[in-house]
Amino acid sequence: AQSVTQLGSHVSVSEGALVLLRCNYSSSVPPYLFWYVQYPNQGLQLLLKYTTGATLVKGINGFEAEFKKSETSFHLTKPSAHMSDAAEYFCAVSLGGGADGLTFGKGTHLIIQP
Amino acid sequence: KAGVTQTPRYLIKTRGQQVTLSCSPISGHRSVSWYQQTPGQGLQFLFEYFSETQRNKGNFPGRFSGRQFSNSRSEMNVSTLELGDSALYLCASSVSPGAEAFFGQGTRLTVV
Repeated sequence: AQSVTQLGSHVSVSEGALVLLRCNYSSSVPPYLFWYVQYPNQGLQLLLKYTTGATLVKGINGFEAEFKKSETSFHLTKPSAHMSDAAEYFCAVSLGGGADGLTFGKGTHLIIQP
Repeated sequence: KAGVTQTPRYLIKTRGQQVTLSCSPISGHRSVSWYQQTPGQGLQFLFEYFSETQRNKGNFPGRFSGRQFSNSRSEMNVSTLELGDSALYLCASSVSPGAEAFFGQGTRLTVV
């Protein structure tokens, strides 16, 4: 079985500052890893994904994440926060092939201070 | 290209009733998954359908069921509703199991 731990249920950064959202996973086989964003009363939007290959993954809206197998981590970063980045962010893992669907972390609420 | 469409967006039901939620996937997508989102439990996998067959199911009671039609549209049904079933129910579609999943806006179910 797989699991995801997101450190920090709330993260607050100033506009223009670095965004770092932490995600650690547990998986018995090489995982597929995802970051999703959710705005209030909306569904989930895929920011980026890692399946195989290059460990530094670039996504939409300037976000990127690096898969570190030795640390079982997949942290999400953005060099400069924008007010529009305020949302809930979810890290998710799947075993590939869709077995057991996506397993999500509890989510991190990103707050942007003006 | 239209996204994943879930209907209705909001629903209020009474304990003991049953409810059916609908999901229309993106055209060409044959895999549909359902998730329940609550403040306490977060996002939890309910089940996945591919080519009208349930591939796998999460840890939910038998009151939760679903099906998929030949046009890939899917419905989920919850019988004998409980207060704890109040949640946002999200549907996601993908070309095939394990491929990139696209989510709908969800159906907000309130059980009173």
